[in-house]
Amino acid sequence: AQTVTQSQPEMSVQEAETVTLSCTYDTSENNYYLFWYKQPPSRQMILVIRQEAYKQQNATENRFSVNFQKAAKSFSLKISDSQLGDTAMYFCAFMRGTGNQFYFGTGTSLTVIP
Amino acid sequence: DAGVIQSPRHEVTEMGQEVTLRCKPISGHDYLFWYRQTMMRGLELLIYFNNNVPIDDSGMPEDRFSAKMPNASFSTLKIQPSEPRDSAVYFCASGFGQGWGYGYTFGSGTRLTVV
Repeated sequence: AQTVTQSQPEMSVQEAETVTLSCTYDTSENNYYLFWYKQPPSRQMILVIRQEAYKQQNATENRFSVNFQKAAKSFSLKISDSQLGDTAMYFCAFMRGTGNQFYFGTGTSLTVIP
Repeated sequence: DAGVIQSPRHEVTEMGQEVTLRCKPISGHDYLFWYRQTMMRGLELLIYFNNNVPIDDSGMPEDRFSAKMPNASFSTLKIQPSEPRDSAVYFCASGFGQGWGYGYTFGSGTRLTVV
């Protein structure tokens, strides 16, 4: 079974600063995908960034980047130049390479402080 | 593209009543998923369809829950009779089977409150 662990229930960061959200996962699969989703108060689940396990290069999307450590089964999200609109719940998610079901972590509530 | 559309956005009902949640997936997507989000259990998959056919309903909590997809553009999740412990946010999501590495698109969810 796949499990995803987010050990930080809540975090805060000053506007314009950098914050890192942690995620670890457990799987015996070698081919899989990892995702970070953002859920603002509007409830919409928004894809922030994705990573393919077979790629060693860390994914980046503008101010968002990941630190993917496959051997350690770690997939952290770094948000640079934090903005007020980044305030949201962030969910780490795993998907098997041959599957279509997400396994979500419990989420980290991020608050950006003006 | 209007995205995945769910209705209603909020639903408050009394225990014992029937509740129907609705979802319109993105046109062209061949997979549809129903997830439930609670504080206690987080996001959990209830059921998913491929080409309108239910593939895996092992996440459906009990017989009170049923889901249908009569055509490619519409799905329902029904709870009959509803109970207070069914209170949650229910998400519908749709995706294209050739692109799992890109995840899939979620609707805005229906917040269900059973009193």
